[in-house]
Amino acid sequence: AQKITQTQPGMFVQEKEAVTLDCTYDTSDPSYGLFWYKQPSSGEMIFLIYQGSYDQQNATEGRYSLNFQKARKSANLVISASQLGDSAMYFCAMREGRGGTGGTSYGKLTFGQGTILTVHP
Amino acid sequence: EPEVTQTPSHQVTQMGQEVILRCVPISNHLYFYWYRQILGQKVEFLVSFYNNEISEKSEIFDDQFSVERPDGSNFTLKIRSTKLEDSAMYFCASSATSGRYNEQFFGPGTRLTVL
Repeated sequence: AQKITQTQPGMFVQEKEAVTLDCTYDTSDPSYGLFWYKQPSSGEMIFLIYQGSYDQQNATEGRYSLNFQKARKSANLVISASQLGDSAMYFCAMREGRGGTGGTSYGKLTFGQGTILTVHP
Repeated sequence: EPEVTQTPSHQVTQMGQEVILRCVPISNHLYFYWYRQILGQKVEFLVSFYNNEISEKSEIFDDQFSVERPDGSNFTLKIRSTKLEDSAMYFCASSATSGRYNEQFFGPGTRLTVL
């Protein structure tokens, strides 16, 4: 079974609009961490935002926020006020393992298939 | 801002040849990783390395692969006898022992093409 599922191969959004990228996960570990990475066409992987399984509040980092619904095992990324530079591939990833903050500090990341976001002017 | 660096950016090799991909992790990081991404596909974990030994490896990381930290700064991935299916982007990553998220910082990748 897939541990991380991103069901949207591609998404389109108008500049300045908000967009939600979906991510569902599967784990039996009570302690885990969820990450979102951005991969522009240049290929590098850029860390965007993190949510720990024990975090009480949804994570926010600037224009990025995470809609974390633990019971549904979903961790959707919300990008507000989209910019042309947001056009990229976006990956959801999970780190499992024991640890008070959600996952071990050194656990491997398991990635989803990615969503290509295109921002239109 | 400190960053992970990788060399070369692109490596072309003949099937059956050995390749060594090099990485310089962020200097105060102690956990190191290799991932690969076949073109158009998801990023896949290969191996993690801590305290001069492998912490975890995936099924992909068979005995054709090895990792080494030859000195205090480099972290290398060796593929002994490359196959066509080894063609991919290889990412090195590192993470700290403490910090808010212990997120993994990725290098720019090495694109390996096996002919």
